[in-house]
Amino acid sequence: GAVVSQHPSRVICKSGTSVKIECRSLDFQATTMFWYRQFPKKSLMLMATSNEGSKATYEQGVEKDKFLINHASLTLSTLTVTSAHPEDSSFYICSARDQPGTGKETQYFGPGTRLLVL
Amino acid sequence: QQQVKQSPQSLIVQKGGISIINCAYENTAFDYFPWYQQFPGKGPALLIAIRPDVSEKKEGRFTISFNKSAKQFSLHIMDSQPGDSATYFCAASYTGANNLFFGTGTRLTVIP
Repeated sequence: GAVVSQHPSRVICKSGTSVKIECRSLDFQATTMFWYRQFPKKSLMLMATSNEGSKATYEQGVEKDKFLINHASLTLSTLTVTSAHPEDSSFYICSARDQPGTGKETQYFGPGTRLLVL
Repeated sequence: QQQVKQSPQSLIVQKGGISIINCAYENTAFDYFPWYQQFPGKGPALLIAIRPDVSEKKEGRFTISFNKSAKQFSLHIMDSQPGDSATYFCAASYTGANNLFFGTGTRLTVIP
């Protein structure tokens, strides 16, 4: 099956610093990638959708200046949490879609990145 | 508004038993219904998915039952094993949609 990787798997940073998380589709081209946030024992909350080469579309309530998303190639999307604060501590998960708009949309998820802001 | 409602929130099943998780939706445009399995500290993994042109799909011990008129679908795990202990999410989407709409998750514990 399709493989999506994330790096780093966990990161601890000081309040006020920025953190970059990478999401890569390893064996397929992903025209669309998604970023989710998951709180403990909760469902996945979609943060934004990014299409290769264009600006990300953010969900309501998600600060685009806080969570910068770049989808520079068909295999790589990055999420940068700028000026991180303790309330940004969470589990961030990316996913990638391999067949957009064909009715066979299947999202493959990365393993997630645990962010802890001190 | 939760587009996909999932129950139960948690489930404890004896080894060898059947685990049943239910989901319901309102949007009749939904035409793709996947189930994801998530282990602690890991991302969700696609388990099985169904489209509304069939009422049931089986893959190994996992079966999705789909009731279009009731707008409900369920996951059945036969011969449940301790290794099946995980959180299960149902989801729904429609052709051309950008994202999946997830249920709230069910934490399954299979006791030996």
